[in-house]
Amino acid sequence: KQEVTQIPAALSVPEGENLVLNCSFTDSAIYNLQWFRQDPGKGLTSLLLIQSSQREQTSGRLNASLDKSSGRSTLYIAASQPGDSATYLCAVKTSYDKVIFGPGTSLSVIP
Amino acid sequence: NAGVTQTPKFQVLKTGQSMTLQCAQDMNHNSMYWYRQDPGMGLRLIYYSASEGTTDKGEVPNGYNVSRLNKREFSLRLESAAPSQTSVYFCASTMDWTGLRETQYFGPGTRLLVL
Repeated sequence: KQEVTQIPAALSVPEGENLVLNCSFTDSAIYNLQWFRQDPGKGLTSLLLIQSSQREQTSGRLNASLDKSSGRSTLYIAASQPGDSATYLCAVKTSYDKVIFGPGTSLSVIP
Repeated sequence: NAGVTQTPKFQVLKTGQSMTLQCAQDMNHNSMYWYRQDPGMGLRLIYYSASEGTTDKGEVPNGYNVSRLNKREFSLRLESAAPSQTSVYFCASTMDWTGLRETQYFGPGTRLLVL
């Protein structure tokens, strides 16, 4: 059974720091992995989608990598800003009808 | 574009009451989804519609029904609400069910409290 975990559960950093969020999954047979951002009381916003054949995706200050063989993905945020404060979730698609979400990492960027 | 919209934003029900959660998207997406989000459980897929005219069960379908009314709209119905259905419900859509156009777009959510 596919399980998705995210470490750490919460992270607090000073503004300007570079940081890495981790996502691990137990079964490497995935179609894709997606990183989302969720602000309190709001829906999810897709940040990056990595297909199983890809190794990384970049968007602005964000870079996500995927290592299927080790069951890991990282989300790298460069030069963090207070506006980056949110919960970050990863999700893996394991079959045509199944997407498994991780529990999320709550990020606080302190001015 | 409004993206994915959901109504209502918040609802309180008594046990046994019924209600329908509405979802609409204006991005001409083919696939639509209903999730619930609970503390400690994360997001779980309730039902999905890979394309207009089709619906299928997800991970936690019991107690729910869905209707894909047309390409834009996908509703979720609780026939007899139970306290265990207290949750935040999210609707999402993707251009396609497979491949490169699977970026999921989420609505703002409906917060449901069942007493």
